[in-house]
Amino acid sequence: AQSVTQLGSHVSVSEGALVLLRCNYSSSVPPYLFWYVQYPNQGLQLLLKYTTGATLVKGINGFEAEFKKSETSFHLTKPSAHMSDAAEYFCAVSDLVNQFYFGTGTSLTVIP
Amino acid sequence: EAGVTQFPSHSVIEKGQTVTLRCDPISGHDNLYWYRRVMGKEIKFLLHFVKESKQDESGMPNNRFLAERTGGTYSTLKVQPAELEDSGVYFCASSPSALSSYNEQFFGPGTRLTVL
Repeated sequence: AQSVTQLGSHVSVSEGALVLLRCNYSSSVPPYLFWYVQYPNQGLQLLLKYTTGATLVKGINGFEAEFKKSETSFHLTKPSAHMSDAAEYFCAVSDLVNQFYFGTGTSLTVIP
Repeated sequence: EAGVTQFPSHSVIEKGQTVTLRCDPISGHDNLYWYRRVMGKEIKFLLHFVKESKQDESGMPNNRFLAERTGGTYSTLKVQPAELEDSGVYFCASSPSALSSYNEQFFGPGTRLTVL
């Protein structure tokens, strides 16, 4: 069975500071891992994904995440937060039949 | 190219009433998924259509929920009768035909359902 744990339902960072959103997963098969972002009144938008190959994946808007199998983690980072990054972020794992399992989400606040 | 659209964006109904949510996937996408997020909880899978057929409906909460996808285009999700615990945001997603081992899912903006 697949599941996702996102530590911290709310994270606040200062503008320009490092963003770190944590995600740990469990999966009985090699996982496909994703980060989605939801801006207010919009749908879920794919930030980045890991399927195979390089474990450090880069996404849109300067975000990146590293797949660490030994730690069963897929944490999302961005070196310097921008006000426009304020949104809700969801980590997800997918199995071979493309059913997605999401975490509970992390709401990111950026303080000017 | 238009994305996944959902209607309505918000719905407020009383317990016992019926509500029908609609999802229009990206044109040409055979796969259509419904998900639900209850406040503060994770987004949970409800069911998966491949064209007009239900591929997996293991996430449907109970028989008060009925999903259809006539003609393999848009889909509706009906809740009848609605209960308080049905409140949440209902997301729809679509993806192309599964010609590879993985398909990215494209999500709609969701329908926020409030049952009073």
